[in-house]
Amino acid sequence: EAQVTQNPRYLITVTGKKLTVTCSQNMNHEYMSWYRQDPGLGLRQIYYSMNVEVTDKGDVPEGYKVSRKEKRNFPLILESPSPNQTSLYFCASSLLDNEQFFGPGTRLTVL
Amino acid sequence: AQSVTQLDSHVSVSEGTPVLLRCNYSSSYSPSLFWYVQHPNKGLQLLLKYTSAATLVKGINGFEAEFKKSETSFHLTKPSAHMSDAAEYFCVVSERAGNMLTFGGGTRLMVKP
Repeated sequence: EAQVTQNPRYLITVTGKKLTVTCSQNMNHEYMSWYRQDPGLGLRQIYYSMNVEVTDKGDVPEGYKVSRKEKRNFPLILESPSPNQTSLYFCASSLLDNEQFFGPGTRLTVL
Repeated sequence: AQSVTQLDSHVSVSEGTPVLLRCNYSSSYSPSLFWYVQHPNKGLQLLLKYTSAATLVKGINGFEAEFKKSETSFHLTKPSAHMSDAAEYFCVVSERAGNMLTFGGGTRLMVKP
């Protein structure tokens, strides 16, 4: 089944404790992206990647890192999480110039 | 720069009545426009997309949207609401290589029996 998977789906952590949210797609898509969803703000793009080893900042990159060492994986790294990063996170992938497919979401709480 | 405004944060309709979710956009170029739906505790699903072909776009589950360039609008409609339509809907614009998406703030649709 063609899909985007994220892990974990739910995470509660404390300020400053490094964490990684994984994202994987099995559709051989070049483009991958991370978004955060906050009430009333829709989804805002954090980082995106047009292909392996090619990443760029989205609209709200502060406090996040990403890497794209393989085509199928695009992990999101929070080196020192803070409470304002409590949010619902979505990973998405697509072929270039095509609709995006979204993962199921990761709900992160930073205490 | 591109932006999207969803004019209503909440819309409530009765089952069997029409649905109208409003969306206005701004874009420097000819945009692609999308509507996504998010059911509670689920990811986002594409309802329909406009990419400069026909201005009236039909999507899944009986939804459709009309691209009106003169009004910079892309409103989502459905003739008859069903209880299963209760969800949050996002209008989305893209003007750069089809991948850089800008989301509206979302409209929560409630359907009363």
